[in-house]
Amino acid sequence: EDQVTQSPEALRLQEGESSSLNCSYTVSGLRGLFWYRQDPGKGPEFLFTLYSAGEEKEKERLKATLTKKESFLHITAPKPEDSATYLCAVQATGGYQKVTFGIGTKLQVIP
Amino acid sequence: NAGVMQNPRHLVRRRGQEARLRCSPMKGHSHVYWYRQLPEEGLKFMVYLQKENIIDESGMPKERFSAEFPKEGPSILRIQQVVRGDSAAYFCASSGQLSEQFFGPGTRLTVL
Repeated sequence: EDQVTQSPEALRLQEGESSSLNCSYTVSGLRGLFWYRQDPGKGPEFLFTLYSAGEEKEKERLKATLTKKESFLHITAPKPEDSATYLCAVQATGGYQKVTFGIGTKLQVIP
Repeated sequence: NAGVMQNPRHLVRRRGQEARLRCSPMKGHSHVYWYRQLPEEGLKFMVYLQKENIIDESGMPKERFSAEFPKEGPSILRIQQVVRGDSAAYFCASSGQLSEQFFGPGTRLTVL
């Protein structure tokens, strides 16, 4: 069974203090690894898809990277508006496979 | 280009009543997924549908829960005889063929 473990569960940063969120996964064969952002009371917002080890994607202050066992979401010089829960999810190869989500990392950026 | 739409956004039901949650997928998407999320917990997969077909309902409770995605109209998640444990946020997502899922704003169900 596919598994996704995210760490830390919660992270508190000062504005401008860069850090990384971790997503460790177990999947028979990876079709894609997804990162989402979720604000309180809202639905998850799609950020990135990574398909193979070594791949990187960037969006503003966020950069996602992928290895064969884990993914990192690097946040550079975060701002208070980056405060949210960040969700990682994986989907296996082989026709239809459901997406498995981690519990998320709750990020708080303090001014 | 409208995103995934869900209604109602908030739904209050008394124990034993029925809850109907609606989801209109993003334009051009023919795959719909339903998830349940409890406070401080992750998204739990419930069911995956294409037009007029249930593809995977492995995450849906066997009793009281059903889902459909008719040829015309929105997808509907139906919960019969609701109990307090059904209180949660229910999210719908849609996708194209083998592509990323995009989520709606969710329906927050409260069972009194």
